[in-house]
Amino acid sequence: NAGVTQTPKFRVLKTGQSMTLLCAQDMNHEYMYWYRQDPGMGLRLIHYSVGEGTTAKGEVPDGYNVSRLKKQNFLLGLESAAPSQTSVYFCASSPEETQYFGPGTRLLVL
Amino acid sequence: RKEVEQDPGPFNVPEGATVAFNCTYSNSASQSFFWYRQDCRKEPKLLMSVYSSGNEDGRFTAQLNRASQYISLLIRDSKLSDSATYLCVATSGTYKYIFGTGTRLKVLA
Repeated sequence: NAGVTQTPKFRVLKTGQSMTLLCAQDMNHEYMYWYRQDPGMGLRLIHYSVGEGTTAKGEVPDGYNVSRLKKQNFLLGLESAAPSQTSVYFCASSPEETQYFGPGTRLLVL
Repeated sequence: RKEVEQDPGPFNVPEGATVAFNCTYSNSASQSFFWYRQDCRKEPKLLMSVYSSGNEDGRFTAQLNRASQYISLLIRDSKLSDSATYLCVATSGTYKYIFGTGTRLKVLA
C-alpha cells in the first residue's frame, strides 16, 4: 500500500497562474481533507469530503476549489494563485477518526 | 483565542529525562483528542489517541482533563529520536480536526 500520495511535491507559480494538486489514497477511506500549514499558524482545514461526490468548506476555503469525482482521489485547485497561498499543503484521509497524511506539497507563489 | 493552544517551546531536555506537554482546548463539545508527531519538513503522524481514563503506549502517556479542558503528553526516558514537534488535536463537530500549532522538543545528547 502506498497510503496517501500527493502530486506534485514542489511547485513554483507566478501570481495569477492556476494549478491543481492531486491527492490519492489506496486505503478505501471515505473521508479526505486538504490542509495548509504555515509557520505559527498550525494546520488549517481548507476543504474536506465525507464521500465520493461530496465536498464541504473548512476553515480557510477562499481561493480554493475541490473535487472528489472518485473515492480515491481528492483534487485541490487554485484558480488564480496569490502570494498568500504560499504554503505547505497536506492531504489526509481517514476511515473514521484517525487521519493519515500525505507527504505534502510545497507551493511558492511569486 | 485559538481553539487549541500549545506552548511552542522549544523544550530542550537531556537524553533520559522525562518531559511533559500540556494543551488546552476551548470547545467543551470536543469529543476526541489526539497527539500527532511531526518531524521537520515531514507530514504529521499519529502518535496516540487520548482517552478519558488516560492511556499509555510504551514511554508515552496521554491524559485528558475534561473539567479543565486540557490534555497532556508525558514522555519518559527521552531518546534523541523523540526530537520532533508534537501537535495536539481536538475534534470540532463531525470529522473536523482542530490542530494546535505544536510544541517543539529537542532531546540533547
